[in-house]
Amino acid sequence: GESVGLHLPTLSVQEGDNSIINCAYSNSASDYFIWYKQESGKGPQFIIDIRSNMDKRQGQRVTVLLNKTVKHLSLQIAATQPGDSAVYFCAERKAGNTGKLIFGQGTTLQVKP
Amino acid sequence: EAEVAQSPRYKITEKSQAVAFWCDPISGHATLYWYRQILGQGPELLVQFQDESVVDDSQLPKDRFSAERLKGVDSTLKIQPAELGDSAMYLCASSFAGTSGSYEQYFGPGTRLTVT
Repeated sequence: GESVGLHLPTLSVQEGDNSIINCAYSNSASDYFIWYKQESGKGPQFIIDIRSNMDKRQGQRVTVLLNKTVKHLSLQIAATQPGDSAVYFCAERKAGNTGKLIFGQGTTLQVKP
Repeated sequence: EAEVAQSPRYKITEKSQAVAFWCDPISGHATLYWYRQILGQGPELLVQFQDESVVDDSQLPKDRFSAERLKGVDSTLKIQPAELGDSAMYLCASSFAGTSGSYEQYFGPGTRLTVT
């Protein structure tokens, strides 16, 4: 079936360094992508989204890059902080869908002090 | 800041018993979603409501699961009878517009279900 996958289950970075979390998606018909952060025992929290007509979108300390040619999505976190430690999920929405999101497996980001 | 409310936060039940979860979406959000999240995996959609109507329940195990949103506001998800494999986090999310416009979904804190 179709799925959104992440390249690495765990990413460990030093505090202050930049983090890059990758995601490969399989459905070329997807037109909207979103990154969520999930801390232990909590629900997913919206980080940033991007539509398929864009290649890059920036937020506060975060940037999402979309490469439709290779169906790749990445989340860049600048100056990673201990509070960034969490599980990160990418999700996709198929064009024409009712709004249903398909989530990937998640990458655990560990920030070392 | 408005939030999605869910209760209970934790539920332990014996297999074959009935269990129910409640969700109150952000005010004004017409679309409500129920997800199941198994530990270590991403959320999987169980059912989606647009106002009081179900628009997607293709992944809902209808022999034991039911969901309703009678007045198009809060919603209840029920499992009867519960099975050991139902142990998971049940997440509720809402969005302003599910079929057009913003697709951002706001999640509640979830209900952690343990079936013994």
